[in-house]
Amino acid sequence: DAGVTQSPTHLIKTRGQQVTLRCSPISGHKSVSWYQQVLGQGPQFIFQYYEKEERGRGNFPDRFSARQFPNYSSELNVNALLLGDSALYLCASSLVGRDTEAFFGQGTRLTVV
Amino acid sequence: RKEVEQDPGPFNVPEGATVAFNCTYSNSASQSFFWYRQDCRKEPKLLMSVYSSGNEDGRFTAQLNRASQYISLLIRDSKLSDSATYLCVPPSQGNLIFGKGTKLSVKP
Repeated sequence: DAGVTQSPTHLIKTRGQQVTLRCSPISGHKSVSWYQQVLGQGPQFIFQYYEKEERGRGNFPDRFSARQFPNYSSELNVNALLLGDSALYLCASSLVGRDTEAFFGQGTRLTVV
Repeated sequence: RKEVEQDPGPFNVPEGATVAFNCTYSNSASQSFFWYRQDCRKEPKLLMSVYSSGNEDGRFTAQLNRASQYISLLIRDSKLSDSATYLCVPPSQGNLIFGKGTKLSVKP
């Protein structure tokens, strides 16, 4: 069975640009969460979507947005990129929205120059 | 008090040693918690899921102290392959909140 897949794996963008990251959850998983991980820190929660609705949002500016599609895949969009947005962006899927283990994709490494 | 606090280490231990990590938390509405392992430049991988006060899986034991609001991970008989960063995910109110991670280095 395929695990969580993310694309692209690496990305270089210029300040001010916009980026869209994609995630396909494990088959049967209806919840997708997005995390940002900078070097030396744990993953920071950005969004959770369950059954195509936003169920949680972390402390991130409005430049960050996401959505979930009918097939439960998800996109994370970041506008007006800043140097500080450089990080590993992780997508995790889980069966349901609360209190259950999540499984991560390999991440998208975003570098903003 | 921060939502999740975890000693970043590093913990440098010899092979065969027993090592324990703690993670304190401030908010909880559930009893489930998790430990993840993350290798350098890789994604976190689920190590242990606990839906009660504790769980044991081979050399690994995870426990929850609800009164003192901390969770722990004990690794017995450390192997070289245990070298990684261990991320705690204490009981939360829905969204998984990760600690910063504790780096473990097991030496020959």
